[in-house]
Amino acid sequence: AQSVSQHNHHVILSEAASLELGCNYSYGGTVNLFWYVQYPGQHLQLLLKYFSGDPLVKGIKGFEAEFIKSKFSFNLRKPSVQWSDTAEYFCAVNALAAGNKLTFGGGTRVLVKP
Amino acid sequence: EPEVTQTPSHQVTQMGQEVILRCVPISNHLYFYWYRQILGQKVEFLVSFYNNEISEKSEIFDDQFSVERPDGSNFTLKIRSTKLEDSAMYFCASRGVVSGEKLFFGSGTQLSVL
Repeated sequence: AQSVSQHNHHVILSEAASLELGCNYSYGGTVNLFWYVQYPGQHLQLLLKYFSGDPLVKGIKGFEAEFIKSKFSFNLRKPSVQWSDTAEYFCAVNALAAGNKLTFGGGTRVLVKP
Repeated sequence: EPEVTQTPSHQVTQMGQEVILRCVPISNHLYFYWYRQILGQKVEFLVSFYNNEISEKSEIFDDQFSVERPDGSNFTLKIRSTKLEDSAMYFCASRGVVSGEKLFFGSGTQLSVL
């Protein structure tokens, strides 16, 4: 069964610091990769996705993620965070050969101190 | 951007009671999903629905759960006899026909079983 691992459960950092959230998945076939964000009191929103092509994907709000196939990783980055980036971040994987559902990682709670 | 809408936003029920969570997917979408997130835990897949039948379901989706698309617009999740452990945020999602296309999530229904 496919699984998705997010290494950090909680991250605390100051404004303007750089952020990197790790995500690894276990499925070896063709995958589509996603990062979702959930701001306090709000629903899940798509930050960015990777289907094919350039492994460096740029998303909304200055986020980017890099797909490294050899490492089964899809880490999320932002060079300079803002207080408004305080949220929970979920990595998700869709392996086409295993059906079209998304499998989510456990989430990483990010707290940005002003 | 089009939205998936869910009602109610918060439902409180007594253990053993039946609940129906309602969702209106995006109008031209054909794949529908229910996910849930127990407080502090990861987002879990429950069921996917296509062409008026369940296409996949998880171990969580036992005989107490059922889904229905009673008309052309609504997609409902019924829990026949709720248990305390059913307390969670339930998310509806939908997507179009393109394989691997992103899911659009609703804002969720917080179910509290007392």
